[in-house]
Amino acid sequence: GDSVTQMEGPVTLSEEAFLTINCTYTATGYPSLFWYVQYPGEGLQLLLKATKADDKGSNKGFEATYRKETTSFHLEKGSVQVSDSAVYFCALTSGSARQLTFGSGTQLTVLP
Amino acid sequence: NAGVTQTPKFQVLKTGQSMTLQCAQDMNHEYMSWYRQDPGMGLRLIHYSVGAGITDQGEVPNGYNVSRSTTEDFPLRLLSAAPSQTSVYFCASSSPNRQGQGTGELFFGEGSRLTVL
Repeated sequence: GDSVTQMEGPVTLSEEAFLTINCTYTATGYPSLFWYVQYPGEGLQLLLKATKADDKGSNKGFEATYRKETTSFHLEKGSVQVSDSAVYFCALTSGSARQLTFGSGTQLTVLP
Repeated sequence: NAGVTQTPKFQVLKTGQSMTLQCAQDMNHEYMSWYRQDPGMGLRLIHYSVGAGITDQGEVPNGYNVSRSTTEDFPLRLLSAAPSQTSVYFCASSSPNRQGQGTGELFFGEGSRLTVL
């Protein structure tokens, strides 16, 4: 079945540092890939997505590129802020696309 | 903008008690789903619905029931609570694309934290 593997957390960075959160996947067919973010005490929100190979999703300074050859969708940001502290989830949907498969989540803490 | 509303936000139950987690959305979304979030395990799908009167099981359906009598509401019922059901529960909704497939763009409620003693 489909699965998503995220890098182990938690991740702690200083403000303005470069961020990478690794995500790899296993899926049949051609999945769509997503990053969701969960701020403290809130539900998940869609951060960005990519629907086909080599697509780059971007939002709020975050980027991720759909790499079919390495089955990866790593999340990056050039300069993190304290307000980026949250849990980040990689996810995919495939087949009939009626449900998402989530990774385990990565806790990011950004220190001032 | 209400979006997806879940109640209650917090609940403590004793083993064997029953309860219903409520979920309502005001975006006229056809798809609705329930996930549970446990440390280190991400979100796992419990049940989902692609329209009123239609429900199906997800990855971890045992111990939970759902129904979808209206487009807006999708309650999750715990018939006999167990400590293993201690978790944070999220309801989500979405709309299909023009081909009738899910887009993966889910709108989540704020969650319901359930503790079973």
